[in-house]
Amino acid sequence: DQQVKQNSPSLSVQEGRISILNCDYTNSMFDYFLWYKKYPAEGPTFLISISSIKDKNEDGRFTVFLNKSAKHLSLHIVPSQPGDSAVYFCAASGHDKIIFGKGTRLHILP
Amino acid sequence: DAGVIQSPRHEVTEMGQEVTLRCKPISGHDYLFWYRQTMMRGLELLIYFNNNVPIDDSGMPEDRFSAKMPNASFSTLKIQPSEPRDSAVYFCASSLGSVTGELFFGEGSRLTVL
Repeated sequence: DQQVKQNSPSLSVQEGRISILNCDYTNSMFDYFLWYKKYPAEGPTFLISISSIKDKNEDGRFTVFLNKSAKHLSLHIVPSQPGDSAVYFCAASGHDKIIFGKGTRLHILP
Repeated sequence: DAGVIQSPRHEVTEMGQEVTLRCKPISGHDYLFWYRQTMMRGLELLIYFNNNVPIDDSGMPEDRFSAKMPNASFSTLKIQPSEPRDSAVYFCASSLGSVTGELFFGEGSRLTVL
């Protein structure tokens, strides 16, 4: 039973446009959410996070939105750049557990 | 600063053989995690340690898998005997002070069992 779902295995976006990656979770116990970025042959690296007491967190081109009632979060990247092409993992944590989604592969098109 | 160091980076072995993956966490980090990445299941947590003590091994698939952390700077994940379905990328990660915050991952060990 997947507790963290990333329903889009891949996404293609034109360079300069906005990339929106989505993530749904099922367990209300999660109180902290993170996004990780992974390049081929490398380990995931932390990108941005949000606490459940907030609904938005922004860091440069990256913004994460949290909708607790819908148990949904999204990562917005604007403007998208070629170096953003990677796999993005959503993670949810709480009560000594951290659960990752399956990831979404983002392709930034020239 | 050195990050999480894993070895080997690649391992190809035959079914039935023993496989040992190694991890050196970031110095000072008190949490260490072993994850497995596959296309079907994404990133799965296998086990994590706090101050060298295993806390949650509920993700370890079966008795063929075992993990140890004899000291704060070294951990192993062993598969014996290995099977083709164990083929995956195995990641080690460490963190400071929390199991639910930012994790620092190694580059992974890609295992292929023939």
